[in-house]
Amino acid sequence: AQSVTQLGSHVSVSEGALVLLRCNYSSSVPPYLFWYVQYPNQGLQLLLKYTSAATLVKGINGFEAEFKKSETSFHLTKPSAHMSDAAEYFCAVSDRNSSASKIIFGSGTRLSIRP
Amino acid sequence: SAVISQKPSRDICQRGTSLTIQCQVDSQVTMMFWYRQQPGQSLTLIATANQGSEATYESGFVIDKFPISRPNLTFSTLTVSNMSPEDSSIYLCSVVKDNLSYEQYFGPGTRLTVT
Repeated sequence: AQSVTQLGSHVSVSEGALVLLRCNYSSSVPPYLFWYVQYPNQGLQLLLKYTSAATLVKGINGFEAEFKKSETSFHLTKPSAHMSDAAEYFCAVSDRNSSASKIIFGSGTRLSIRP
Repeated sequence: SAVISQKPSRDICQRGTSLTIQCQVDSQVTMMFWYRQQPGQSLTLIATANQGSEATYESGFVIDKFPISRPNLTFSTLTVSNMSPEDSSIYLCSVVKDNLSYEQYFGPGTRLTVT
């Protein structure tokens, strides 16, 4: 069964510092991978997705993620954190061989930004 | 993208009662899903809402507790039946516009508190 593991339930960085949120997946074949963001009291918004094109994926709000098959990782990065980036971030995986489009979510990482 | 609305946005209910949550999309979509997000937790897929047929439930979720309807390609409802405090969660509707993109869009969620 597919799964994703997010390392670190809470990450705190200073404003202007590098943001790195870690995600590792477990799948027998390279899956589709996603990063979603959830701001307080809001629904989920898609940041970016990997669907087997370029391994470095650029998303909204300056975020990007790199698919590394050898490491089964899909870490999310942003060069310079902004206060508005404070939110919950979810890594998610979908089986490309399934027609059901089901997405399995990781446990989430809460990102805090220090002034 | 897709614009998704959910009603109600929040509710406080007494145990033993039932609540029906509506999900409306601004355009026809291929797939609709219902998720539960318990306090401080990640998202768990409840079921896939199938148009014109019974929903497909994930392990741990049953139709008697979470009956789902999907009468057309833009609308679905989820009922939380015979509620208990353990049902206090955020319930989110999500949609896939086409099966090629595997991209899911989420509604704002319904925050349910059961007393």
